[in-house]
Amino acid sequence: DGGITQSPKYLFRKEGQNVTLSCEQNLNHDAMYWYRQDPGQGLRLIYYSQIVNDFQKGDIAEGYSVSREKKESFPLTVTSAQKNPTAFYLCASSTYIPASSYNEQFFGPGTRLTVL
Amino acid sequence: KQEVTQIPAALSVPEGENLVLNCSFTDSAIYNLQWFRQDPGKGLTSLLLIQSSQREQTSGRLNASLDKSSGRSTLYIAASQPGDSATYLCAPFGSEKLVFGKGTKLTVNP
Repeated sequence: DGGITQSPKYLFRKEGQNVTLSCEQNLNHDAMYWYRQDPGQGLRLIYYSQIVNDFQKGDIAEGYSVSREKKESFPLTVTSAQKNPTAFYLCASSTYIPASSYNEQFFGPGTRLTVL
Repeated sequence: KQEVTQIPAALSVPEGENLVLNCSFTDSAIYNLQWFRQDPGKGLTSLLLIQSSQREQTSGRLNASLDKSSGRSTLYIAASQPGDSATYLCAPFGSEKLVFGKGTKLTVNP
């Protein structure tokens, strides 16, 4: 059953702690993405990776870090430097064909992070 | 910088009605545009992808159009059902990323 899994579904963090959100895909996609969703706002891109061992900052990368050691996995760490981390975090993946109109993104079920 | 606007922000219709959701974007240099559905507290489900060279794409009761030069896309839902109630998001893809609008929250009343 192909798809994208995110864990945990809910995560609570105390101020000053780092937490890591998991994202795994078995779609054999090269590209993976992390988005943040806040009430009343559109999704905003945090980081993305088009190939293993490489990633780029998105629009709101400050206070976050990622790694891409395996094609299937793209974990996101929310650090204590992130001022307002409470949000819904969504992971996505797609094929990566440069300058192509065929790349379609598919999303995981999300992780809701709450800072206490 | 790409900006995406979706109108209306919310829409409530009786079951069976045909409806149109609108999406406009400022930068026409895109490779494709995706329409998504999001149920409360859930991830996004991809509904349709329109390639930049296409004018329309259909899936079941859904039909999406794209006018890249004018920066507009529409999602047409035929014979709406209560199960269609959700937030619908459009996202053009250009410069290596999707840019999202804030969505249209659709409620279909039985």
